[in-house]
Amino acid sequence: QQPVQSPQAVILREGEDAVINCSSSKALYSVHWYRQKHGEAPVFLMILLKGGEQKGHEKISASFNEKKQQSSLYLTASQLSYSGTYFCGTEYTSYSSGSARQLTFGSGTQLTVLP
Amino acid sequence: DTEVTQTPKHLVMGMTNKKSLKCEQHMGHRAMYWYKQKAKKPPELMFVYSYEKLSINESVPSRFSPECPNSSLLNLHLHALQPEDSALYLCASSQVGHPNQPQHFGDGTRLSIL
Repeated sequence: QQPVQSPQAVILREGEDAVINCSSSKALYSVHWYRQKHGEAPVFLMILLKGGEQKGHEKISASFNEKKQQSSLYLTASQLSYSGTYFCGTEYTSYSSGSARQLTFGSGTQLTVLP
Repeated sequence: DTEVTQTPKHLVMGMTNKKSLKCEQHMGHRAMYWYKQKAKKPPELMFVYSYEKLSINESVPSRFSPECPNSSLLNLHLHALQPEDSALYLCASSQVGHPNQPQHFGDGTRLSIL
């Protein structure tokens, strides 16, 4: 079951902030965030496991609200290099030793940062 | 540059051709994945290999045949494809047994079916 991402698209000026949300109707085990530029591979940003943790990566951080089954990606003081499509990938089953990851990706949020 | 290498980068083939896509990683990952991505859409999981054994097949048509000959190599054999199979095919790999470790993606093979 595909998670729901919002917004579908956002346009920012350099230095502005943005929030991208990823919601699931099923209980989540983890949320993976990726950024993909046109014609390139998806690039890993961060993983959040259930437990409501928040993580940071330079000016990009994310949170995981287990009660709402929702993760949010926060982009602060955006740079031109942040432009791309952001995908959340969700896992619905507990991760067990010896198993591979099975991710279902949201529809994506296209982020454009203008100078 | 990505640590997952996919070849070829572009492939054009007719509906009666047989071709193969290749994916290689040398990160010691024991899980490897094939995804299909259409334009402006998210990657869709096709196959998952864990320890060189097929563990997940997401109801993919038999004209796609995966193969994992060793822990570093993953192939996708193509035969009698349809125009709707034109897409970007992404390979990924990950560690097994480490929940904090992500999937690493290759740059993909852009496939066009004539």
